Amino acid sequence: KAGVTQTPRYLIKTRGQQVTLSCSPISGHRSVSWYQQTPGQGLQFLFEYFSETQRNKGNFPGRFSGRQFSNSRSEMNVSTLELGDSALYLCASSLEGQGIRNEQFFGPGTRLTVL
Amino acid sequence: DAKTTQPNSMESNEEEPVHLPCNHSTISGTDYIHWYRQLPSQGPEYVIHGLTSNVNNRMASLAIAEDRKSSTLILHRATLRDAAVYYCILRDVNRDDKIIFGKGTRLHILP
Repeated sequence: KAGVTQTPRYLIKTRGQQVTLSCSPISGHRSVSWYQQTPGQGLQFLFEYFSETQRNKGNFPGRFSGRQFSNSRSEMNVSTLELGDSALYLCASSLEGQGIRNEQFFGPGTRLTVL
Repeated sequence: DAKTTQPNSMESNEEEPVHLPCNHSTISGTDYIHWYRQLPSQGPEYVIHGLTSNVNNRMASLAIAEDRKSSTLILHRATLRDAAVYYCILRDVNRDDKIIFGKGTRLHILP
């Protein structure tokens, strides 16, 4: 079974631009979560989607948004990029999620650099 | 959210056991204890989880204190491949599935 895939793996953007990152979960997984990882703040939860609905949200500004498609694939979008948005963005999928102690499977991440 | 406390870093010799501690004094009765690890240049990967009883799997063992206020992840025979950041996380079975990562413990393995 293929693991979680994320595209692109690396991305360079300039301030003010917007970016869309893509995540394909493991086949059969319905929950997709996104995380931001930086050296200073560590791993921080962005949001989680389950059956095309956002179920949880972390403490990030509205510039960070996401969506999930009917095939469980997910995208996250960051608008009006700032230098501080430079980070590794990780996607994780799990079978279901709420109320169930499912392990999450992480992708390799997308390394975003904002210049 | 219940929080966990872990040492920033630890060192161990290759082929020796490693005990990674985690304190979670405010744990609630419905919190599961999960461990993830992040190898260099990779996303985190699940290691093990438990509720009250000690747990074993092919990767590690999890020893949970009787009062559940602390736990220890045990790698029985560390290899260089086990060098990673290890995260101890609490997840409430009755709530959402989001994972709150702390800073974790960076484990160095000495050859």
